[in-house]
Amino acid sequence: QKEVEQDPGPLSVPEGAIVSLNCTYSNSAFQYFMWYRQYSRKGPELLMYTYSSGNKEDGRFTAQVDKSSKYISLFIRDSQPSDSATYLCAMSWGGGSNYKLTFGKGTLLTVNP
Amino acid sequence: ETGVTQTPRHLVMGMTNKKSLKCEQHLGHNAMYWYKQSAKKPLELMFVYNFKEQTENNSVPSRFSPECPNSSHLFLHLHTLQPEDSALYLCASSHRTGAISSPLHFGNGTRLTVT
Repeated sequence: QKEVEQDPGPLSVPEGAIVSLNCTYSNSAFQYFMWYRQYSRKGPELLMYTYSSGNKEDGRFTAQVDKSSKYISLFIRDSQPSDSATYLCAMSWGGGSNYKLTFGKGTLLTVNP
Repeated sequence: ETGVTQTPRHLVMGMTNKKSLKCEQHLGHNAMYWYKQSAKKPLELMFVYNFKEQTENNSVPSRFSPECPNSSHLFLHLHTLQPEDSALYLCASSHRTGAISSPLHFGNGTRLTVT
């Protein structure tokens, strides 16, 4: 089983829809959970990160972590065409020379006007 | 404009060529990274430099040779590549290595095609 599983999609939704993007993981040592957004022909940029289980909200974006199920989600409310991008989940544990950061494959999202 | 600049944006090279990828960061960071991004695969960490010293080589073939002359510049020298090396090569920087409080800042990548 891979450490981080993410459905690559593609996912296509109409403008205004609520989008749910998900990742599962197998390594219970992961402590920090991140979402990166990558526009076409651009590098990834950090969107949100969270440490604990529960929800973290930032505008239209909500990151959710369920450590007991080893499952993380990113919700996008009132999705816009400008949200069209690839969304990468990433997880880390440890620190210093013992730090490990693992990415998912990314989910390609298209929001249609 | 991103704080991490990569050149060239696109590169096509034959298997016998030698070329170099360049990365420059204007963020005052101390750590720099090379990642490989292939279709339908997770980002693969290749090399990590911290204060110009290589701290990680993730079992990368010797046909990829990194160079970090200072904390602002990073190169990836390429020679005798294989077609399966075709991918997007991303440079990233962070204030320091190994901490969630120092997130990665990525450049826009070099799209490499090996013919």
